[in-house]
Amino acid sequence: AQTVTQSQPEMSVQEAETVTLSCTYDTSESDYYLFWYKQPPSRQMILVIRQEAYKQQNATENRFSVNFQKAAKSFSLKISDSQLGDAAMYFCAYRRSNTGNQFYFGTGTSLTVIP
Amino acid sequence: GAVVSQHPSRVICKSGTSVKIECRSLDFQATTMFWYRQFPKQSLMLMATSNEGSKATYEQGVEKDKFLINHASLTLSTLTVTSAHPEDSSFYICSLKSPSRGGTYEQYFGPGTRLTVT
Repeated sequence: AQTVTQSQPEMSVQEAETVTLSCTYDTSESDYYLFWYKQPPSRQMILVIRQEAYKQQNATENRFSVNFQKAAKSFSLKISDSQLGDAAMYFCAYRRSNTGNQFYFGTGTSLTVIP
Repeated sequence: GAVVSQHPSRVICKSGTSVKIECRSLDFQATTMFWYRQFPKQSLMLMATSNEGSKATYEQGVEKDKFLINHASLTLSTLTVTSAHPEDSSFYICSLKSPSRGGTYEQYFGPGTRLTVT
């Protein structure tokens, strides 16, 4: 079974600084997708970034980037120039291939941004 | 704009009553919808996968007679919590599987429904 582990229940970062959230996963599949979702206090899940496992290049979306280490099954999220609006719960998620339906979510990391 | 809506956003009901939660696709026809449950400060747990026109597929440990799912149309799926008990109090989130484009698809999440059973 696929499992997703986020070992940091809580993290904090100073505004404008950089923070990295960790995620590891376990799978025997070779084709899969990884995601980072943000859940602000409104509870609306928002896709931050996605990574296809077959791509070696790390995905980036503006201030958000990932460090995808396939052999180590590691998928960390780096937030640069942190803003107050980045404060939220962040979930790492795994989906098996492009035809897979089910998301497997990690337990989440609560990010606090200090003004 | 919003792709997925859920109604109601919050509901309080008495123990023993049933509650229906609606999930609507606003932007496209969704053949597949998902229902998740999230306890406070915990992750999302998939409850069931809802396919239009067929019976929902429930995850292990989820009582299908307690959590009735009806995917009546390509834009609407409903989750009915029957004979609700306080332990059913939770945050329920639906998500939609978008149509495949170029061999890939996205999942869009609804804003969630907070259920409190007294």
